[in-house]
Amino acid sequence: QSVLTQPPSVSAAPGQKVTISCSGSSSNIGNNYVSWYQQLPGTAPKLLIYDNNKRPSGIPDRFSGSKSGTSATLGITGLQTGDEADYYCGTWDNRLSAGWVFGGGTKLTVL
Amino acid sequence: QVQLVESGGGVVQPGKSLRLSCAASGFTFSDYAMHWVRQAPGKGLEWVAVMSFDGRNNYYADSVKGRFTISRDNSKNTLYLQMNSLRAEDTAVYYCARDWDGDKGDHWGQGTLVTVSS
Repeated sequence: QSVLTQPPSVSAAPGQKVTISCSGSSSNIGNNYVSWYQQLPGTAPKLLIYDNNKRPSGIPDRFSGSKSGTSATLGITGLQTGDEADYYCGTWDNRLSAGWVFGGGTKLTVL
Repeated sequence: QVQLVESGGGVVQPGKSLRLSCAASGFTFSDYAMHWVRQAPGKGLEWVAVMSFDGRNNYYADSVKGRFTISRDNSKNTLYLQMNSLRAEDTAVYYCARDWDGDKGDHWGQGTLVTVSS
């Protein structure tokens, strides 16, 4: 059971837009920055979005993030087949001594 | 460029021990806290442990507390995870990740697979 809640899967056609939601509580998303990670098949997670809506160098602006209250959203526009991956939201939880909490992951299928 | 390379995974019987290593390069290792995160087959990410940049502080997930020990050797730019009393549910790919501002990992290794089975 993950601390953060994500839909198991989403799908859309190439060129379309998709959003992935991430729900938490006041102890995690509500009072901390949210990050998003992309995990392509058979590879390690890669930081995609940090501090709710910032992109690391090299991440295209097709990827965006937002946060409102205890929920966050990842948006991807102009979908490409290469975007097929698992996407995880993550943050810090104030109830824990230290460490990260994650969502259960969302499998994106580009039809 | 930043590189993190895990090693030490393998097949181990329940109750036995294993030590993982994470060799870091391309950055000043002693400036960063480091984490271990695992992923069971077909499952999501689970945070395991973190060690501060200077090795003075460490914290663990409840699922591994008392069985796993995180450590580091800044002179060798290497992070370790000593895993004792292994259980079937510890089977996973183990990733090391560099900490950024406490709430995210900006660089991850490729992972090493640990399989606990008799």
